[in-house]
Amino acid sequence: DVKVTQSSRYLVKRTGEKVFLECVQDMDHENMFWYRQDPGLGLRLIYFSYDVKMKEKGDIPEGYSVSREKKERFSLILESASTNQTSMYLCASRTTGTGEDNEQFFGPGTRLTVL
Amino acid sequence: GNSVTQMEGPVTLSEEAFLTINCTYTATGYPSLFWYVQYPGEGLQLLLKATKADDKGSNKGFEATYRKETTSFHLEKGSVQVSDSAVYFCALRYQGGKLIFGQGTELSVKP
Repeated sequence: DVKVTQSSRYLVKRTGEKVFLECVQDMDHENMFWYRQDPGLGLRLIYFSYDVKMKEKGDIPEGYSVSREKKERFSLILESASTNQTSMYLCASRTTGTGEDNEQFFGPGTRLTVL
Repeated sequence: GNSVTQMEGPVTLSEEAFLTINCTYTATGYPSLFWYVQYPGEGLQLLLKATKADDKGSNKGFEATYRKETTSFHLEKGSVQVSDSAVYFCALRYQGGKLIFGQGTELSVKP
């Protein structure tokens, strides 16, 4: 079974803090993704990574950065947290083998509250 | 650009009722289409997919048919159960493995 784990289920931070959200997958997947999920907006892609040390901006990258130093780990960084970054953050991974329609496997999510 | 629109929720049904959740899309070309489900407190799971026009995806009693002429991928189930209560997301694949999601539809099934 593919497993995608996220470091925290719930996180509370203060405005201006630097926040790290960690994601680890155990299936040697090449692609990894960070989304935020907000009511009425669905999931929106923040950043994705095709492979180690490779990253590309998604649809809403402002205020975020990422790091992928090892294949299994993809970190999302909020350089200076703001209240409008209060959200549910979901990580996903996917293999590129056998074609482009391979499913993405999701972690359980981290609910971040910025006070 | 690419986009996905789902019917607004929440949808509340009685057990054994028929379910339809509408999904329409705008895209260049012919993208693959997906339905994902999110059970309470969990991440998303792939429910079904269709990769070309007129394909029907099916899983766990759910079905959806890729309709190119109406740019739709509506989710249906003949008889819902309480355990189907979840949030359902329609999505399309573009540019490699990236997905665009609809806004999600919350389904609540009462016994």
